[in-house]
Amino acid sequence: EAQVTQNPRYLITVTGKKLTVTCSQNMNHEYMSWYRQDPGLGLRQIYYSMNVEVTDKGDVPEGYKVSRKEKRNFPLILESPSPNQTSLYFCASSWGTSGDYNEQFFGPGTRLTVL
Amino acid sequence: GQQVMQIPQYQHVQEGEDFTTYCNSSTTLSNIQWYKQRPGGHPVFLIQLVKSGEVKKQKRLTFQFGEAKKNSSLHITATQTTDVGTYFCAGPGGGSNYKLTFGKGTLLTVNP
Repeated sequence: EAQVTQNPRYLITVTGKKLTVTCSQNMNHEYMSWYRQDPGLGLRQIYYSMNVEVTDKGDVPEGYKVSRKEKRNFPLILESPSPNQTSLYFCASSWGTSGDYNEQFFGPGTRLTVL
Repeated sequence: GQQVMQIPQYQHVQEGEDFTTYCNSSTTLSNIQWYKQRPGGHPVFLIQLVKSGEVKKQKRLTFQFGEAKKNSSLHITATQTTDVGTYFCAGPGGGSNYKLTFGKGTLLTVNP
């Protein structure tokens, strides 16, 4: 089954404790992206990756890191989480963004609470 | 940077009434996508529009892309309770075709 998986689905942590949210897709997509969703603010792009070893900042990259060492995986790293990073996080993948096949497939989401 | 504005923010309708959400971009878009997110769920792709003035239909849903490729709309005819959710538009831009900007979404609730 074609899918995007994220782990963990729920996480409660404390300020400053490094964490990683994993994202994996099995569709051989070149493009992957991370979003955060907050009430009233919609989906905001954190980072995206056009292909292996190629990443770039979205609209809200501060406090986050990503890596794309393999095509299927795109982990989101919070080196020193703060309470303002409490949010619902979505990973997504697609063939691209400006061609004919840009459908973004979203993972189920990770609800993160930073105390 | 690029802004994508969506109105209204909320819409409550009686079942059977029509519903429209509008999306406006500050820049010309190469394409625009629409997504639906059910409460507690993740966004699910509905459609992509690419051509100026394009109109596409999916059963009771009608999508339009403006002539200038800066605005779009989603119209639902005769809403049903299954239409409940948040509808988002999204487009590439903001200095890079790989950067995707979403509107804030329109939350649709339907009274049976």
